[in-house]
Amino acid sequence: SQQGEEDPQALSIQEGENATMNCSYKTSINNLQWYRQNSGRGLVHLILIRSNEREKHSGRLRVTLDTSKKSSSLLITASRAADTASYFCATHSGTYKYIFGTGTRLKVLA
Amino acid sequence: EAGVVQSPRYKIIEKKQPVAFWCNPISGHNTLYWYLQNLGQGPELLIRYENEEAVDDSQLPKDRFSAERLKGVDSTLKIQPAELGDSAVYLCASSLRGSSGNTIYFGEGSWLTVV
Repeated sequence: SQQGEEDPQALSIQEGENATMNCSYKTSINNLQWYRQNSGRGLVHLILIRSNEREKHSGRLRVTLDTSKKSSSLLITASRAADTASYFCATHSGTYKYIFGTGTRLKVLA
Repeated sequence: EAGVVQSPRYKIIEKKQPVAFWCNPISGHNTLYWYLQNLGQGPELLIRYENEEAVDDSQLPKDRFSAERLKGVDSTLKIQPAELGDSAVYLCASSLRGSSGNTIYFGEGSWLTVV
């Protein structure tokens, strides 16, 4: 079973534009992480946000967390063709289990 | 530092045949995970080890799947016999401990095709 649902399922933008993807989840969490997966590769960790945090930045990435709405968003600014990948959120609860969402497939057109 | 290493990267087998995947986690990582990823979906946990103990195997189909982590380092995941529906990517991952805030590091995955 999957905890999170990413939205949109697919996103296509032009290079230089910003990309925003959202993650909604069902139960209380300790933290939420975002991962990137290039085609045919494993998942790469991008950023972790704890339940008591509302926003975090890492380079061109900005993550927000709204625990009252059980949702998070990932913003990639000034996107590049190399950002083309699938992006997954993963929630961590008291059971020490990371549960992944269904992913957003981002395509950045050069 | 070497990342999580998995082998084989790709495997094609006929249904009803056995298959095994091997994983070497990052040195010092106590926690090891096996995830299943179907095409177009997110990873789903099959089993989690803390050292050599399987602490969460509730999602592992035990009639045909088995896993072991002898000596608390390397791990193998076996399917016997394989079915057509087992075609997927099998991802191994590790982290320092299974506690909150620890990043999971993934291997490149073992891509299984059952024909």
